[in-house]
Amino acid sequence: NAGVMQNPRHLVRRRGQEARLRCSPMKGHSHVYWYRQLPEEGLKFMVYLQKENIIDESGMPKERFSAEFPKEGPSILRIQQVVRGDSAAYFCASSLGPSSGNTIYFGEGSWLTVV
Amino acid sequence: SQELEQSPQSLIVQEGKNLTINCTSSKTLYGLYWYKQKYGEGLIFLMMLQKGGEEKSHEKITAKLDEKKQQSSLHITASQPSHAGIYLCGAFARTGANNLFFGTGTRLTVIP
Repeated sequence: NAGVMQNPRHLVRRRGQEARLRCSPMKGHSHVYWYRQLPEEGLKFMVYLQKENIIDESGMPKERFSAEFPKEGPSILRIQQVVRGDSAAYFCASSLGPSSGNTIYFGEGSWLTVV
Repeated sequence: SQELEQSPQSLIVQEGKNLTINCTSSKTLYGLYWYKQKYGEGLIFLMMLQKGGEEKSHEKITAKLDEKKQQSSLHITASQPSHAGIYLCGAFARTGANNLFFGTGTRLTVIP
């Protein structure tokens, strides 16, 4: 049973470019979460999605960041016009049902470096 | 805002020794999760606790949630080098919340 799959694992972008991070949840999971881990900082919630819906984006920066979870295919976290401060590890997680009471499984992460 | 404080921040133990990591909040926790992270890798789910007084064990790792649901401890018995990593506790601030908030982690080193 495959776990949460993220790709790419490592991504290098120049300032001003776009970064697209993909996440395939565990089989049967329809709830997806994105977290960011800045160097030497803790994990911070960004966004919670169900199929075709953004449920909670309270942790998303107001500009340049967007997320989607289409009916078919992986969830995508998109960062436009990247800046050095976007360099971080981005983790995707999934659960079978709403987070509370359900085990939340994390992927291996996507490490974004902005040069 | 609610915070999770983990102690100690780092820990170095000799192989075979027991150790305990604590996770404390000033407010009630709803759903307490323990994860382990190796440097440069993802989070591995260890245990989830929900009820006050609950205790769960898996292999040599035991986690407890106190009666007030404000503190959790993770105990490792007879530590091994494979236990090395960063241990993170995460919790929900309220019932029905969607986002886990995390402590800053405890870095464990096990010396062979």
